[in-house]
Amino acid sequence: GEDVEQSLFLSVREGDSSVINCTYTDSSSTYLYWYKQEPGAGLQLLTYIFSNMDMKQDQRLTVLLNKKDKHLSLRIADTQTGDSAIYFCAETRAGGSYIPTFGRGTSLIVHP
Amino acid sequence: NAGVTQTPKFQVLKTGQSMTLQCAQDMNHEYMSWYRQDPGMGLRLIHYSVGAGITDQGEVPNGYNVSRSTTEDFPLRLLSAAPSQTSVYFCASSWTSGEVGEQFFGPGTRLTVL
Repeated sequence: GEDVEQSLFLSVREGDSSVINCTYTDSSSTYLYWYKQEPGAGLQLLTYIFSNMDMKQDQRLTVLLNKKDKHLSLRIADTQTGDSAIYFCAETRAGGSYIPTFGRGTSLIVHP
Repeated sequence: NAGVTQTPKFQVLKTGQSMTLQCAQDMNHEYMSWYRQDPGMGLRLIHYSVGAGITDQGEVPNGYNVSRSTTEDFPLRLLSAAPSQTSVYFCASSWTSGEVGEQFFGPGTRLTVL
């Protein structure tokens, strides 16, 4: 199976919360990241979490990490049309090249 | 700082032609990498470099060559383009290990091979 897995699509209504999920396989992952890609642009780091943390909050963003289940989620509160983008989960591993492994990306569509 | 720059933004090639995708960064990052992005496939690593003079293969290196003669530049060469290389190519750079490891991405090159 893939190292980092994500569902491909998520559709939400403006103002609702969005939850994007990711699973990874390597228990030696050190950092886990969420990147955002807007149409026609490169990826930009949205937030990250170190593997010894359970949760990280940054304004409308909440990252939850369940190390036992190797599950990472990104919650976006009060989702806006400007949040429509592709969201990539990524991880780096201790002792590795420190080049992250990316998931396939989740396309978030926000409709009025 | 310009960050990570890529040229050209768009390119159309015929099968068998060669070309070089340019990538440069002005942040003094040691790590640089090339990815290709295809629908439903996400980002796949082609080649990467951990410093000037050092390169290594990623997940999908076949048909591509790289070199890293300076810290700033990391060109990607297609020796004989094939339609399967139609894709969007992203260059990225980052600090070395010990940091958070944030990747800084260029705007991408959209390549079509006919």
